[in-house]
Amino acid sequence: KAGVTQTPRYLIKTRGQQVTLSCSPISGHRSVSWYQQTPGQGLQFLFEYFSETQRNKGNFPGRFSGRQFSNSRSEMNVSTLELGDSALYLCASSEGLNYEQYFGPGTRLTVT
Amino acid sequence: DQQVKQNSPSLSVQEGRISILNCDYTNSMFDYFLWYKKYPAEGPTFLISISSIKDKNEDGRFTVFLNKSAKHLSLHIVPSQPGDSAVYFCAAPVFWGGATNKLIFGTGTLLAVQP
Repeated sequence: KAGVTQTPRYLIKTRGQQVTLSCSPISGHRSVSWYQQTPGQGLQFLFEYFSETQRNKGNFPGRFSGRQFSNSRSEMNVSTLELGDSALYLCASSEGLNYEQYFGPGTRLTVT
Repeated sequence: DQQVKQNSPSLSVQEGRISILNCDYTNSMFDYFLWYKKYPAEGPTFLISISSIKDKNEDGRFTVFLNKSAKHLSLHIVPSQPGDSAVYFCAAPVFWGGATNKLIFGTGTLLAVQP
């Protein structure tokens, strides 16, 4: 099976712009979670989607949003980008209520 | 509030020796723990897990030990190999209404295995 894929791998945006990141989970996996990794805060949970419904949400401002499509593919959107949003954004998928999450390679977002 | 802590940011070990990576947690409700390994420019890769009903789980060169009374777990790698050089994260799932895939991660330990 193909692994979790994320596009794009690298992105440079300007403060105030918005960005959309995409994640394709492993075939058959219905749960997709998003994490932000920064040097100062480590890996932090953003949100999780299961069967097109947001099941969990982390402690991030409303500028961070996401959605999941019927084929389990997921997108996350960040509006009004700030310099502090520069990070590696990781997507992980799992079959369902399963602790073993499989991560994609991440999207490196740089906000200038 | 850092519920999962890895107090050693880095560790250097000679090839063939044992690597011991430590993790402490504060939430006594955690009942399952995972270790992930991460290479630069890649996503974390699942290594090994342990349930709170066990105090040890072994998979090849990797063994995880859990001490519930001390709220401490450790990952042992024996023997260590240069390819093990990576950042290691411990993580715990947080229950939210009975169903969750939310993981709380430690800050990671960079392991360097010297040839």
